[in-house]
Amino acid sequence: SQQGEEDPQALSIQEGENATMNCSYKTSINNLQWYRQNSGRGLVHLILIRSNEREKHSGRLRVTLDTSKKSSSLLITASRAADTASYFCATLSPRAQGGSEKLVFGKGTKLTVNP
Amino acid sequence: DTAVSQTPKYLVTQMGNDKSIKCEQNLGHDTMYWYKQDSKKFLKIMFSYNNKELIINETVPNRFSPKSPDKAHLNLHINSLELGDSAVYFCASSQARLDYTFGSGTRLTVV
Repeated sequence: SQQGEEDPQALSIQEGENATMNCSYKTSINNLQWYRQNSGRGLVHLILIRSNEREKHSGRLRVTLDTSKKSSSLLITASRAADTASYFCATLSPRAQGGSEKLVFGKGTKLTVNP
Repeated sequence: DTAVSQTPKYLVTQMGNDKSIKCEQNLGHDTMYWYKQDSKKFLKIMFSYNNKELIINETVPNRFSPKSPDKAHLNLHINSLELGDSAVYFCASSQARLDYTFGSGTRLTVV
């Protein structure tokens, strides 16, 4: 079953503004990852945050993780038109008995940055 | 050099046909995956191989059969294609389930 749920489903902002996308999940995790997908293209790994981390930065990206609330947020500061894409969170859960770890994706947030 | 490459990029075929999608990674990763992205952009894992061993086999029709001749290759064969198989199929690889790299996708259209 699906693990992550992003909100909002769609977000439209002006260039220069900040964009915040949220992700909630249901079970315990080893790590949480954010990916970007440009229209008609593959997924690009943006950032990984481990379950024992609370915040991580990479350039204009800031990710937070609250394991008590089972939620994460991705903040893109000073957005650019080139940031227009769909953003997905994905969770890697501990190995279940007899099973294997797997990366499970949410439905994504479609971000539009208007010039 | 493309890290994870899959071919073909586009595939249009008729119902009932059998088709294959190939994937190769040059990252030295130990695990490879097939994901399916439907028309609503929902990504769902289908299969995973670790060093040529099948470790994840989600509930997919047995018309779908993955094959991994070596740890750098994971192919997906689909028999008796149906309209509902139309989707974008992504190959991915990872090392120790940390660093996932995705291919650019194969857009399959069944007519």
